[in-house]
Amino acid sequence: AQTVTQSQPEMSVQEAETVTLSCTYDTSENNYYLFWYKQPPSRQMILVIRQEAYKQQNATENRFSVNFQKAAKSFSLKISDSQLGDTAMYFCAYMIYNQGGKLIFGQGTELSVKP
Amino acid sequence: EADIYQTPRYLVIGTGKKITLECSQTMGHDKMYWYQQDPGMELHLIHYSYGVNSTEKGDLSSESTVSRIRTEHFPLTLESARPSHTSQYLCASTPTTLGAGTEAFFGQGTRLTVV
Repeated sequence: AQTVTQSQPEMSVQEAETVTLSCTYDTSENNYYLFWYKQPPSRQMILVIRQEAYKQQNATENRFSVNFQKAAKSFSLKISDSQLGDTAMYFCAYMIYNQGGKLIFGQGTELSVKP
Repeated sequence: EADIYQTPRYLVIGTGKKITLECSQTMGHDKMYWYQQDPGMELHLIHYSYGVNSTEKGDLSSESTVSRIRTEHFPLTLESARPSHTSQYLCASTPTTLGAGTEAFFGQGTRLTVV
């Protein structure tokens, strides 16, 4: 079965500090994309960062970076210099390349950034 | 923000009523999706479409139906709403060709409550 596991239902971090959200996944496919999406309260789901599975280099996007361990099927998100606006639900997801764009999501991690 | 729109944002309706949730995108994407999201839980794919006159059921069984008569429009219908249909429904789209830079774009969601 294709699954995504986010083992941290809730996390909190002080403003300006660093936090890491964990994600593991299970697929027998070799070509896929990994994503972290952010869903602020009552607002639109938006992409935080993406990683192509064939790339060994970890993706970075400003304060956001990932630690992609393909053999371990692990895809954690690090948020540096946390800001109040980072408070949101974060979903890890993957998309199999030849399965048409369907996303498999994890359960989500609710992140609170405290002043 | 992504050019994908859902209406209504919030809907409270009585049991047995027929409802249609609207989703439109102006990006010219052939692929569109409906995800169901229960409170505090992961998203599950309930319907998808790869183009006009193409619709398929997703991984999570749903009593809803969809249609795709125009590329930009992907409405979801419940013929007879029940309290068990209470949930958030998210519409999404992806580009026709998946590759480097692929992402799914999401609407703001419709929060449905059936009383």
